[in-house]
Amino acid sequence: EADIYQTPRYLVIGTGKKITLECSQTMGHDKMYWYQQDPGMELHLIHYSYGVNSTEKGDLSSESTVSRIRTEHFPLTLESARPSHTSQYLCASTLGDEQYFGPGTRLTVT
Amino acid sequence: QKEVEQDPGPLSVPEGAIVSLNCTYSNSAFQYFMWYRQYSRKGPELLMYTYSSGNKEDGRFTAQVDKSSKYISLFIRDSQPSDSATYLCAMKTSYDKVIFGPGTSLSVIP
Repeated sequence: EADIYQTPRYLVIGTGKKITLECSQTMGHDKMYWYQQDPGMELHLIHYSYGVNSTEKGDLSSESTVSRIRTEHFPLTLESARPSHTSQYLCASTLGDEQYFGPGTRLTVT
Repeated sequence: QKEVEQDPGPLSVPEGAIVSLNCTYSNSAFQYFMWYRQYSRKGPELLMYTYSSGNKEDGRFTAQVDKSSKYISLFIRDSQPSDSATYLCAMKTSYDKVIFGPGTSLSVIP
């Protein structure tokens, strides 16, 4: 079982602010992912990484960016938050073919 | 047509009932199949993982895969109110990203 940590768990922020959502895992997994999920809706893949210095955009267009400088760390950044960014952001990593999720960050942009 | 189809429900059953949750898929290259449980405002939790046709049992949960019909199921025996959640099926090929179904919302009524 993977240990995946996300901070903050909840964030309320004003329009135009720059924010970084943190995700880290302690198991040395190469593959990491960011999903966006609105309440009661399906998961949408927005970014993924297959290793250090590797990042790709997912299936859903997103104004966020990611970086992967260390294996264990995969932060997501919004340069200028907007109300349309209000959502839950879920980080995941893969051990073999099994994908494990963090607890999520619930972001509200006012 | 989406790669993975899942009836979103909601599904409401009495406590103690047997629950059957199902997904169909179109990509015959999928080899790995997973079921996740997601409580409201939480990250998805991996319940079952299988890579072969047939049944896999874990406690009250049984995952069933029929590759010839491109159909997977999750059975929950003796359902409990604590089983009330959204259940997501997920699958992947040997080299690609995980594809999630939209989830089925389940309520187990005491």
